[in-house]
Amino acid sequence: QIQLVQSGPELKKPGESVKISCKASGYTFTDYAMHWVKQAPGKGLKWMGWINSYTGKPTDADDFKGRFVFSLEASASSANLQISNLKNEDTATYFCARGVVALGYWGQGTLVTVSS
Amino acid sequence: EIVLTQSPTTMAASPGEKVTLTCRASSSVSYMHWYQQRSGASPKLWIYGTSKLASGVPNRFSGSGSGTSYSLTINSMETEDAATYYCQQGSSYPLTFGSGTKLEIK
Repeated sequence: QIQLVQSGPELKKPGESVKISCKASGYTFTDYAMHWVKQAPGKGLKWMGWINSYTGKPTDADDFKGRFVFSLEASASSANLQISNLKNEDTATYFCARGVVALGYWGQGTLVTVSS
Repeated sequence: EIVLTQSPTTMAASPGEKVTLTCRASSSVSYMHWYQQRSGASPKLWIYGTSKLASGVPNRFSGSGSGTSYSLTINSMETEDAATYYCQQGSSYPLTFGSGTKLEIK
C-alpha cells in the first residue's frame, strides 16, 4: 500500500535549521510530484510548493521563497524539506503529500517547534 | 492567487440532518477538491474533481459546483463525519486551500 512516512518531531531555537524527510513506499517514486503543506497550530492548510520527483525541479510558493528548500533522495524514495534561519512563526506541522493537483496521499506530519 | 472562501466557518448538525458546506473562489476554477481532517490527524482527500468520491468515502457525501461556487453535501449527518473540511483548487498555481469549515455533531 502507498505510504508516506515522515521524520519525527523537532525542537529548534530561532536561527537554527531543520531538515524533514518524507519516505515514500508502495509506488514508483519518480511517477508523482511531492508537495509540502504547512499547518500552524490551530490554523488551516497552506501550500508551500512542490518538487518534480523525476527531474528534481522544485517550485516554491511566494511565501516560502528563500529559507525553504525542497530536495530529493530519489535512490531512497525520499523527499526532504529544509528550513533555515528558523523563526517563531515557523512553528507548525509540516506535511508531505503526493499528487498532481489533488493530494491523494499524505504523510503523518512533522511538528517543528521553534522556541528559545 | 485564487482565494477560496468557505462558509460557514463552524457549524453543528444533528445525526440524520442534511449538511451543505460551500466554497467560493475569487476566480473561476475548473474543479474543486475537498479534504477531511479529524483532530490530530493528517488531511484525507475526500472528494476530487468536484464530485468524485475518494476511495472509502461513504456515498452519503456528494460534491457539486462549477465556476466560482462549489459545495460539499452530506445527505444524512453521522457522528463520524465531525471534522474540519477544506476545499482546494488545482486550476492554477499556487495551489490554495480554503480556511476550512469545522463541522460538529449536535
